[in-house]
Amino acid sequence: DGGITQSPKYLFRKEGQNVTLSCEQNLNHDAMYWYRQDPGQGLRLIYYSQIVNDFQKGDIAEGYSVSREKKESFPLTVTSAQKNPTAFYLCASSINYGYTFGSGTRLTVV
Amino acid sequence: GEDVEQSLFLSVREGDSSVINCTYTDSSSTYLYWYKQEPGAGLQLLTYIFSNMDMKQDQRLTVLLNKKDKHLSLRIADTQTGDSAIYFCAVTRESNYQLIWGAGTKLIIKP
Repeated sequence: DGGITQSPKYLFRKEGQNVTLSCEQNLNHDAMYWYRQDPGQGLRLIYYSQIVNDFQKGDIAEGYSVSREKKESFPLTVTSAQKNPTAFYLCASSINYGYTFGSGTRLTVV
Repeated sequence: GEDVEQSLFLSVREGDSSVINCTYTDSSSTYLYWYKQEPGAGLQLLTYIFSNMDMKQDQRLTVLLNKKDKHLSLRIADTQTGDSAIYFCAVTRESNYQLIWGAGTKLIIKP
């Protein structure tokens, strides 16, 4: 079955550490996205990529980095520069305007 | 700037109809969506409507679009406990093909 897989489901980070969240899709979608979700707020776009080897900053890119070396994969690194990283992170892919979401990664700073 | 607004909570009795409302500011939005999120999960597309339509029905779901007022609503008929979730409204931002999201409406079902 086609879909998007995010891993891990839960992730704990110590202060000052970088962590990488995985996102893999087998839908053959060109576009992929990373969103951050905080309670009581809509989804906020971190980064997006419309084609392999190309990506653009979203609305809240500071403290995050991405790569898009393969069509299927769009990992997100939360760097130590991100001052408030505790949140639920959602990866999505799309063809035209049809979005498919992964099940999310909950990141907690300890 | 562009914005999508929704009420944060809606409480209805089981068996009643639920109506979740959304207003948006970008009049050029072509596609308007409703997504459902259950606790600890990703978002699931429920339905969408094109901007040249004013109504779409899909089983228990009815979407109404008032383009003049930039108002979108989702009606769930015969609301069940399984409908308990957060419902997100999203509209397309034509300038960069992204979606603009509302904050989500948490639907609470009373027995």
